[in-house]
Amino acid sequence: GQQVMQIPQYQHVQEGEDFTTYCNSSTTLSNIQWYKQRPGGHPVFLIQLVKSGEVKKQKRLTFQFGEAKKNSSLHITATQTTDVGTYFCAAHNAGNNRKLIWGLGTSLAVNP
Amino acid sequence: GAVVSQHPSWVICKSGTSVKIECRSLDFQATTMFWYRQFPKQSLMLMATSNEGSKATYEQGVEKDKFLINHASLTLSTLTVTSAHPEDSSFYICSAPGTRGTDTQYFGPGTRLTVL
Repeated sequence: GQQVMQIPQYQHVQEGEDFTTYCNSSTTLSNIQWYKQRPGGHPVFLIQLVKSGEVKKQKRLTFQFGEAKKNSSLHITATQTTDVGTYFCAAHNAGNNRKLIWGLGTSLAVNP
Repeated sequence: GAVVSQHPSWVICKSGTSVKIECRSLDFQATTMFWYRQFPKQSLMLMATSNEGSKATYEQGVEKDKFLINHASLTLSTLTVTSAHPEDSSFYICSAPGTRGTDTQYFGPGTRLTVL
């Protein structure tokens, strides 16, 4: 079945360093979404990318969708302790536009 | 924005009892809701898709008689964990898709179930 691979599984950075998490699929994706889950919390929608090569920014966060629509990345510039959490990518199932296929997530820890 | 509530936020029960978890869309209607479970430090695992007015669609490996889902109205879906055992202890989260034209999913705050 359709799968979304996400790396790395964990990332530990010093505050102020950059952070990137990557998602890859063997099949072309119609879109990809990114969510953030704080420790003890629930996933919160960050953004959706739809177009090939799309780049979107939210303050220090930059989201990219690959030209072939098979990969995506989330880059955080100058991390802060408030960025701590797990970042998930998710893509809609090919046969069901509402069902999401989830990456395993990247857990980010930031040392102050 | 769309808000999804979940009740209870946590529950501790004895082995063999049943536990009901409610998921409500507070300011929008949801003909579809999704139920996930999440183990510590792991990803979300989709258990089933709840459909208003019809039977839920369960993912492979999820026992429908064990995890009863009812979607009786456009704003409420319930998940009942029947005859709970310690291995059912987990974080259960529901979500609902946004309004037509958006693909965003809005998540409830989750229910932490501990079965003793």
